[in-house]
Amino acid sequence: DGGITQSPKYLFRKEGQNVTLSCEQNLNHDAMYWYRQDPGQGLRLIYYSQIVNDFQKGDIAEGYSVSREKKESFPLTVTSAQKNPTAFYLCASSIDRGPKRDTDTQYFGPGTRLTVL
Amino acid sequence: AQTVTQSQPEMSVQEAETVTLSCTYDTSESDYYLFWYKQPPSRQMILVIRQEAYKQQNATENRFSVNFQKAAKSFSLKISDSQLGDAAMYFCAYRSDAGGTSYGKLTFGQGTILTVHP
Repeated sequence: DGGITQSPKYLFRKEGQNVTLSCEQNLNHDAMYWYRQDPGQGLRLIYYSQIVNDFQKGDIAEGYSVSREKKESFPLTVTSAQKNPTAFYLCASSIDRGPKRDTDTQYFGPGTRLTVL
Repeated sequence: AQTVTQSQPEMSVQEAETVTLSCTYDTSESDYYLFWYKQPPSRQMILVIRQEAYKQQNATENRFSVNFQKAAKSFSLKISDSQLGDAAMYFCAYRSDAGGTSYGKLTFGQGTILTVHP
C-alpha cells in the first residue's frame, strides 16, 4: 500500500521537552514538507526538503528542526525553544520535477496532534 | 510574498444543490499552480482539484470545477449536486513554479467550512 504515514497520531509533551514526529513515505517522492495547522487556520510551512541531505526553512521554522538522511523519511523535532507547540502537524510529499515543468501535487499524511501539558 | 484569501469562513448548501467557494490570491509571478484541498473531520487533507496557471481552460473533476480568472487573481470552486460527504473544510492553496527559494512551497488560505443540509 503506497502512502504517507505519520506517527504517533496523538503526542503529549511536557514543557521543556523535545519531541520528534515521524513522517515516512513509500511513494518514491523526492520532496517532503512539514506544515503546522492551528484551530480555524490554514496550514503554515515549517520546513521542506527537495532532496536527501538538504532542507530549507519555511515560514515558521523557529523552534523546529528536521533531518533528511533517507529519501523516505523526514522527521520533525519540536524543541523546547518553540513557545507554543500545541497544534496539528501535517507531513506531505511530492514528486519534484523542477520548475518550468509539470509539477506534481503534494499528498498529505494523516497528521499528528501535539499537545503540551 | 504570495498571499491567499478565502473571504467566506462558512458556507452552507442543500443536498443536490450547487455551491461556489471563493478564493483570491496575490502574486507577481506568472508561473504557478492553484489547488483546492478538502479536510473532513478526520483532518486528512485530500486533493480536490488543481489548475495550472498557464492553462486557460478551467479544470474539472467530476462534480467539482473551478473558475480561474488569472487577470483578476481569482480561483473559485464550484461543487455541483452537493452530497453529504462534501461537508468539510476547504482550503485554497498556491504553489510557485518560478524557481528559487519559494519554489515548491504551498501557501494556504484560511479555509471555508462547508455544511451540507439533507
